[in-house]
Amino acid sequence: DQQVKQNSPSLSVQEGRISILNCDYTNSMFDYFLWYKKYPAEGPTFLISISSIKDKNEDGRFTVFLNKSAKHLSLHIVPSQPGDSAVYFCAASLLPYNAGKSTFGDGTTLTVKP
Amino acid sequence: NAGVTQTPKFQVLKTGQSMTLQCAQDMNHEYMSWYRQDPGMGLRLIHYSVGAGITDQGEVPNGYNVSRSTTEDFPLRLLSAAPSQTSVYFCASSRGQAGGEQFFGPGTRLTVL
Repeated sequence: DQQVKQNSPSLSVQEGRISILNCDYTNSMFDYFLWYKKYPAEGPTFLISISSIKDKNEDGRFTVFLNKSAKHLSLHIVPSQPGDSAVYFCAASLLPYNAGKSTFGDGTTLTVKP
Repeated sequence: NAGVTQTPKFQVLKTGQSMTLQCAQDMNHEYMSWYRQDPGMGLRLIHYSVGAGITDQGEVPNGYNVSRSTTEDFPLRLLSAAPSQTSVYFCASSRGQAGGEQFFGPGTRLTVL
């Protein structure tokens, strides 16, 4: 049973528009959620996180929203840029503010067209 | 700061061979983890460690051993390689009790024939 799901394997958007990546989870005990970005032949890099006590966190062009009742989080990128083209992984941890033992979704490949 | 380093970058093994994937971090992080990523899938946790001398199993531990004798190093041993272990392996570290995200190495691409 996959506890973290990213139901869209791919997403294509035009440069300058908004990209919205979605993630659903089943374990209500998850306490800390993260988004990572991955380029080919590289390791994932951290993008943004949110604790279960918040419903929104912003960092520049990136905003993560958390809806605990729906067990759903989303990543908004505004405006999207061609350099944002990558695979985005959603991850969830049972530990507060601690990603050391995370469960990952399968990823969404974002393509931003110039 | 080199961050998290992994060696080798690529490896081809024959079924039944053993090998060790090396991982080191220079950030004095408490927690270290090993993940594998198969095509079209996310990262699955193999083993993790919350400090020197302390390790535990993750989601897919079978066929792998780990030990952590120092804070810096967390090697992953394949005891008898099988084609099902063909994958990309990522090592990660994080601050542990101090919280925060994981920092990943560049990965080791392993093929078992």
